[in-house]
Amino acid sequence: NAGVTQTPKFRILKIGQSMTLQCAQDMNHNYMYWYRQDPGMGLKLIYYSVGAGITDKGEVPNGYNVSRSTTEDFPLRLELAAPSQTSVYFCASRRRGATYETQYFGPGTRLLVL
Amino acid sequence: DQQVKQNSPSLSVQEGRISILNCDYTNSMFDYFLWYKKYPAEGPTFLISISSIKDKNEDGRFTVFLNKSAKHLSLHIVPSQPGDSAVYFCAATPPNFNKFYFGSGTKLNVKP
Repeated sequence: NAGVTQTPKFRILKIGQSMTLQCAQDMNHNYMYWYRQDPGMGLKLIYYSVGAGITDKGEVPNGYNVSRSTTEDFPLRLELAAPSQTSVYFCASRRRGATYETQYFGPGTRLLVL
Repeated sequence: DQQVKQNSPSLSVQEGRISILNCDYTNSMFDYFLWYKKYPAEGPTFLISISSIKDKNEDGRFTVFLNKSAKHLSLHIVPSQPGDSAVYFCAATPPNFNKFYFGSGTKLNVKP
């Protein structure tokens, strides 16, 4: 049971380039989330999904896109990278149920846009 | 507009003493509150939580207190251990539990 996995661990992008951050979970969780963490700041929700085919915006969705074609995968797409998107990105998942604390995080992807 | 605030960026405590980490929130619709612990180069891990219908929840050395009228919660760690040194985030969620709002974190350093 690998939990939540994220690839890559680190990436440098040039301004205007695009990339996809991968996230996968093997716990059959319904909910998946993408957060970004800027230095000295908390985690800000970018997008989330309550199940395959269903996504919704979080607090800071501009400049990002997501899709959820399967329960396991929740990729985050950056179309035109900007320096403001330099951050650490965390993917998380949780089971729909009574115990709300079951949000599991991946190890993060560090992105530098130059 | 930050709905969950942790006003102390860092806290230093001697091993064996109590650590108290504070968190304030502004949204009265928040129904459930959580604390996460984060080590460098890792994702946050869940630590302890509390429902708005309670004012205290205890789990071993960790206790979370909730004061709804003041919109304030705190995490007590007793006794503090060097392995507790990490960044602690508080988070809150409204009743639908779809979105979680995080504070900016407090870096705890427990000195041996």
